[in-house]
Amino acid sequence: QQQVKQSPQSLIVQKGGISIINCAYENTAFDYFPWYQQFPGKGPALLIAIRPDVSEKKEGRFTISFNKSAKQFSLHIMDSQPGDSATYFCAARTTSGTYKYIFGTGTRLKVLA
Amino acid sequence: DTEVTQTPKHLVMGMTNKKSLKCEQHMGHRAMYWYKQKAKKPPELMFVYSYEKLSINESVPSRFSPECPNSSLLNLHLHALQPEDSALYLCASSRGENTEAFFGQGTRLTVV
Repeated sequence: QQQVKQSPQSLIVQKGGISIINCAYENTAFDYFPWYQQFPGKGPALLIAIRPDVSEKKEGRFTISFNKSAKQFSLHIMDSQPGDSATYFCAARTTSGTYKYIFGTGTRLKVLA
Repeated sequence: DTEVTQTPKHLVMGMTNKKSLKCEQHMGHRAMYWYKQKAKKPPELMFVYSYEKLSINESVPSRFSPECPNSSLLNLHLHALQPEDSALYLCASSRGENTEAFFGQGTRLTVV
């Protein structure tokens, strides 16, 4: 089944705290897992991405943790800032023929000043 | 240049109108996508073009007609839309071996 489940639906974090967003999938034909950040009225912007042969990837304050056996991956935002307040989507790319990105349901993050 | 440019940014059209959305990228990407996004929902895939050929149509109604004139351009022709088609229409592109998909800023479409 081509579906990506994302939680929580919304998240409120104090400035300087850690924001954690989780995603899970069932289709083993996914080969690439990007995270997108979207501000209101804008298109999604690629934040960070990981392949399933890597367990963790860090870029600045953003870290993806990947658990292939559990088919789960998560985004950690360290030292969260008010400017991080946005909607975050995890996604997974299928490998069957043409590339196709399946999105999670999204997490609305609000970082309090 | 990692930019996908969409025009227009906003579009209001009547149910009997014909209009087109345009998307352009100059990153040499050979896959281009149209997504539809309703408020507070994730983007939903509509069409995928690979090497200028339509490879995926996610059972989209025929009132939406995609076109890929060349490797840099992607159009979405709109005809006889319904008010429920009002949404943010997103274009994206990717190069297979690099895997990243880049999105444009979208066209906010309102059907009246």
